[in-house]
Amino acid sequence: EAGVAQSPRYKIIEKRQSVAFWCNPISGHATLYWYQQILGQGPKLLIQFQNNGVVDDSQLPKDRFSAERLKGVDSTLKIQPAKLEDSAVYLCASSLIIGGRAGELFFGEGSRLTVL
Amino acid sequence: SQKIEQNSEALNIQEGKTATLTCNYTNYSPAYLQWYRQDPGRGPVFLLLIRENEKEKRKERLKVTFDTTLKQSLFHITASQPADSATYLCALGTNYGQNFVFGPGTRLSVLP
Repeated sequence: EAGVAQSPRYKIIEKRQSVAFWCNPISGHATLYWYQQILGQGPKLLIQFQNNGVVDDSQLPKDRFSAERLKGVDSTLKIQPAKLEDSAVYLCASSLIIGGRAGELFFGEGSRLTVL
Repeated sequence: SQKIEQNSEALNIQEGKTATLTCNYTNYSPAYLQWYRQDPGRGPVFLLLIRENEKEKRKERLKVTFDTTLKQSLFHITASQPADSATYLCALGTNYGQNFVFGPGTRLSVLP
């Protein structure tokens, strides 16, 4: 079974530029998450989708970050304009919902962003 | 305020010993708790899940306990090996188990 696919693996941009990350979850997983992981810290939830609807985006900096999951499968996370503090690894994860609760999270390898 | 704390940042132990990692939380009422392993440059990988009504869970050399009174989970690796060296993350299942909040992680080094 294919895992969660993310691209690009690495991206270097200058501040105020824009960047987009793509995620393809495991087939059949209705729930998709984007996490931000700053070096030395645990992952922090940015946004959670259930199919193509947003469940939780309370920690998404909406003035510069946006995410969509058209057709309830692939997802794109965009940052525009980027700030120095956005340098981090952006992790995509997917899961099944079992009995109304999310099961284990399956993570992709992440997209490492460096903002200069 | 809500907080999740894990051990010290780093833990060094000798091969063959038992590693014990802690996860303490404040002002959360998790439906369940998960532990993940993360290697450098990789995404986290699921290890174990324990529910609020369970005291202990085991899987091979791994054991997890969950004390909702103390608001603490302990994660044990018995007969540790250098290949167990990694960062270990605890994650609280919140919002009726719909999403997860991660702790900062503990970097474990098992020395040969």
